[in-house]
Amino acid sequence: DQQVKQNSPSLSVQEGRISILNCDYTNSMFDYFLWYKKYPAEGPTFLISISSIKDKNEDGRFTVFLNKSAKHLSLHIVPSQPGDSAVYFCVGGGADGLTFGKGTHLIIQP
Amino acid sequence: DTEVTQTPKHLVMGMTNKKSLKCEQHMGHRAMYWYKQKAKKPPELMFVYSYEKLSINESVPSRFSPECPNSSLLNLHLHALQPEDSALYLCASSQDWTPYEQYFGPGTRLTVT
Repeated sequence: DQQVKQNSPSLSVQEGRISILNCDYTNSMFDYFLWYKKYPAEGPTFLISISSIKDKNEDGRFTVFLNKSAKHLSLHIVPSQPGDSAVYFCVGGGADGLTFGKGTHLIIQP
Repeated sequence: DTEVTQTPKHLVMGMTNKKSLKCEQHMGHRAMYWYKQKAKKPPELMFVYSYEKLSINESVPSRFSPECPNSSLLNLHLHALQPEDSALYLCASSQDWTPYEQYFGPGTRLTVT
């Protein structure tokens, strides 16, 4: 049973435009959500998090939106830059630790 | 310093070998983790140490043996591995068990021949 679902294995966005990565979850017990970014041959890097009691958190070019009623969250990257090309993991956090989605490969086109 | 270091970066071992993976952090974090990641899959949790005590073992085979010598170090001892154990092994740490973000090391790429 996949508790965190990222239904788009890949996403291609033009440099300078907005990247929107989507994530759905089924576990209502998650206390918080995180986004991690991963380059090949490196460990995941923490990007941004949001508590389950919030609906938005912003940090520079990155904004995460949480819609609890829809069990949906999204990561917005504005403007997208070439260095943003990576795999992005949506992660649910709770008493059982972190649960990773399968990841979305974001490709920023010049 | 938000760095988690792991050694070695790459390891090739035979099925009869004994080897160890090492992880170190100097952020004062009290929780440390081992994950296994296969190609094109998300990281899978193996072990959690909280305050130097093993608190979670996700039904990992005994050929993987974790050790936490002190609050900054985490080892993973490997013995009699199988080729299907070949993967990227990631170490992570966090301020405490939950609900804190985890910081990952670069991983050790393990190949079992």
